[in-house]
Amino acid sequence: GDSVTQMEGPVTLSEEAFLTINCTYTATGYPSLFWYVQYPGEGLQLLLKATKADDKGSNKGFEATYRKETTSFHLEKGSVQVSDSAVYFCALSDTLTGANSKLTFGKGITLSVRP
Amino acid sequence: DAGITQSPRHKVTETGTPVTLRCHQTENHRYMYWYRQDPGHGLRLIHYSYGVKDTDKGEVSDGYSVSRSKTEDFLLTLESATSSQTSVYFCATTGGNGSPLHFGNGTRLTVT
Repeated sequence: GDSVTQMEGPVTLSEEAFLTINCTYTATGYPSLFWYVQYPGEGLQLLLKATKADDKGSNKGFEATYRKETTSFHLEKGSVQVSDSAVYFCALSDTLTGANSKLTFGKGITLSVRP
Repeated sequence: DAGITQSPRHKVTETGTPVTLRCHQTENHRYMYWYRQDPGHGLRLIHYSYGVKDTDKGEVSDGYSVSRSKTEDFLLTLESATSSQTSVYFCATTGGNGSPLHFGNGTRLTVT
């Protein structure tokens, strides 16, 4: 079945540091890939997405490129802020299924940014 | 936001009692989902619905049932709560056609 693997956490960075969060996936077919963010006490929010190979999703300074050859969708940001402290989830949607947008999530990683 | 309200936000119950969690949406989205979030497991799909009275099981459906009698409401029932069902439960909705999921703010359930 489909699966998503995220790097182990938590991650602690200083403000303005460079961020990379690794995500790899296993899926049949041609999945869409997503990054969701969860701020404390809230539900998940879509951060960015990519629907086909070589697409780059971007939002709020975050970027991720859909790499079919390495089955990866790593999240990057050039300069993190304290307000980026949150839990980040990588997810995929199997476009072959009839139930639209049934997502498979990674385990999530907690990012803490120090002033 | 997609106007998703989960109730209650917090609940403590005893083992063996029935519990119903409610998800209410105001966006007329066709698809609705119940996930549970646990440390070390991320989010796991319990049940989902693709229309009124149309539901199906997710990967961790044992011990849970759902009902959807109206587009806007999706109920999750634990017939006889167990301690292993202590978790944070999230409802999500989407209109489909590749549009993203929108999540509620969650219900924290503690089974003692």
